Amino acid sequence: NAGVMQNPRHLVRRRGQEARLRCSPMKGHSHVYWYRQLPEEGLKFMVYLQKENIIDESGMPKERFSAEFPKEGPSILRIQQVVRGDSAAYFCASSPPRGTEAFFGQGTRLTVV
Amino acid sequence: AQSVTQLGSHVSVSEGALVLLRCNYSSSVPPYLFWYVQYPNQGLQLLLKYTTGATLVKGINGFEAEFKKSETSFHLTKPSAHMSDAAEYFCAVRSNSGYALNFGKGTSLLVTP
Repeated sequence: NAGVMQNPRHLVRRRGQEARLRCSPMKGHSHVYWYRQLPEEGLKFMVYLQKENIIDESGMPKERFSAEFPKEGPSILRIQQVVRGDSAAYFCASSPPRGTEAFFGQGTRLTVV
Repeated sequence: AQSVTQLGSHVSVSEGALVLLRCNYSSSVPPYLFWYVQYPNQGLQLLLKYTTGATLVKGINGFEAEFKKSETSFHLTKPSAHMSDAAEYFCAVRSNSGYALNFGKGTSLLVTP
């Protein structure tokens, strides 16, 4: 059973470009969470999705950020018109229904130049 | 709402010495508590978790933690440090009915020969 797969592992974007981060949950997991880790900080919750539904996006910046988890395919975290402050590690986690534990991917490290 | 405070952003121990990483939580409802480890440029790996039942929880790699409700603490210990234990450690909390993890800022463990 493969773990949570994130790609790309490293992503470099120029200011103003779009960043797309992908996350494939573990097999059998229908719940996906995105977290952001800034330097010297812990992880901050961004959004919680189930298949085709956003359950809680209270941690998402109001502008430029969006997330989806379609019926088929990976979950996508999209950042439009990136700025330097978006540089961070973005982690995806997944869990089964009613699971107590979230399993994390290896993260995507976004650098905005 | 739940929150976590990790005392000490950096902890240094000698190889073979006791490891003690401190975590205090705040929660208005029964908490679920977690310790994760992060190696450089890697994702988070679950060390151990407390949900209900026995308050002394054993995890992987010889780590354990004790849930102390009266002290609102969930400190992580290991009797004898190995060089391979050098990493970043995160304590996290969520409610028993919630889903989003609230992380502490992390403690960087350095193990010296």
